[in-house]
Amino acid sequence: ELKVEQNPLFLSMQEGKNYTIYCNYSTTSDRLYWYRQDPGKSLESLFVLLSNGAVKQEGRLMASLDTKARLSTLHITAAVHDLSATYFCAVDYSGAGSYQLTFGKGTKLSVIP
Amino acid sequence: EAGVTQFPSHSVIEKGQTVTLRCDPISGHDNLYWYRRVMGKEIKFLLHFVKESKQDESGMPNNRFLAERTGGTYSTLKVQPAELEDSGVYFCASSQLRRGYGYTFGSGTRLTVV
Repeated sequence: ELKVEQNPLFLSMQEGKNYTIYCNYSTTSDRLYWYRQDPGKSLESLFVLLSNGAVKQEGRLMASLDTKARLSTLHITAAVHDLSATYFCAVDYSGAGSYQLTFGKGTKLSVIP
Repeated sequence: EAGVTQFPSHSVIEKGQTVTLRCDPISGHDNLYWYRRVMGKEIKFLLHFVKESKQDESGMPNNRFLAERTGGTYSTLKVQPAELEDSGVYFCASSQLRRGYGYTFGSGTRLTVV
């Protein structure tokens, strides 16, 4: 059974600081997603990482994928309050005949002034 | 384009009652998925439709859950009878391709069974 572990689960950081969220997974996969969720809202797709060594950046967020280490990171640069949300990584994996997403527990990020 | 729509957004029912959740995917998306997040746990896969056919229902917890997708359009997820452990947020997602570059999620239905 595929396991996806995110850490930390809770992150409180000051504006302007940098931090990294880690996502480890237990089975080979070549596709990993990062999602953002604001309270009561849908899961918003941030990044789709398709291959080993993939790096994508959008604003203050940068995601990377190392399929050999089964590790993805979401790096936050110079955090601002608007980044406060819950961030999920999810691995695209073929279960019983169907690709499905296996999620980490999520990282609740609070950016404080 | 309109996103994935789910309703109701919240539902509070008593144990033993029946509840039906509805999901309207993005028009033209053949693939429709149901996921749920029980309090404090991960978001877990429930099932996958391709058009009106169930492709994979390996995540359905038990036979109290029944999912349908009428004519390959909207989908319903019925819980009958509801139990306390069914409380959580139920998400629906759709995608155009079976393994596309992303899945579009709805905002979820928060189900509370008391």
